[in-house]
Amino acid sequence: EIVLTQSPGTLSLSPGERATLSCRASQSVSSVYLAWYQQRPGQAPRLLIYEASSRATGIPDRFSGSGAGTDFTLTISRLEPEDFAVYYCQQYGSPSTFGQGTRLDIK
Amino acid sequence: QVRLVQSGAEVKKPGSSVKVSCKASGGTFRNYAFSWVRQAQGQGLEWMGGIVPIFGSAKYAHRFQGRVTITADETTDTAYLEVSSLTSEDSAIYYCVRQRGTFGTSFAYWGQGTQVTVSS
Repeated sequence: EIVLTQSPGTLSLSPGERATLSCRASQSVSSVYLAWYQQRPGQAPRLLIYEASSRATGIPDRFSGSGAGTDFTLTISRLEPEDFAVYYCQQYGSPSTFGQGTRLDIK
Repeated sequence: QVRLVQSGAEVKKPGSSVKVSCKASGGTFRNYAFSWVRQAQGQGLEWMGGIVPIFGSAKYAHRFQGRVTITADETTDTAYLEVSSLTSEDSAIYYCVRQRGTFGTSFAYWGQGTQVTVSS
């Protein structure tokens, strides 16, 4: 089973700043199988990025994904108030696994 | 427009079973993978298993094999998750997910979640 480790655990930033979230895999993951999700309090997760760098339908272009092999990154270029949430990376090979999450807090 | 509507909250005794349903609308039900993901209070996301109705057989995360059964009814476009031998550690929100395609695709659509509480 592939273990995904996200860093940092918590990131405190201000609206308008740039956020960089990291996801490291215990073994190489095909970019085709890497996704990022956002979860706001009391809501189900929402798909942001799939195949490491493709934005899901309706996702603003301030969200971007990159990376390959064992190191992947989610970047939010200019934080909006609604972006403060928890973010998870996932590899959806078999079996699928999720990272433990990064909490993005307002500074 | 894809929509997943799950059954309501459940309270169960330890040792019992629970069955959660997920009614899908929009898209061709049989061609997509439906997975189940759970989230304990304040914790992260955990994939339990999934099924592609057209293929019939389900896949399970290793730790749930033998205790979890995932099925799909093409006549009603409904997926099901059954968990047996419940313990307090099974208390969680259970999410139904429709993937973008079959297995090996991202989790595009999520149900509203079903709270399962296991308590004596």
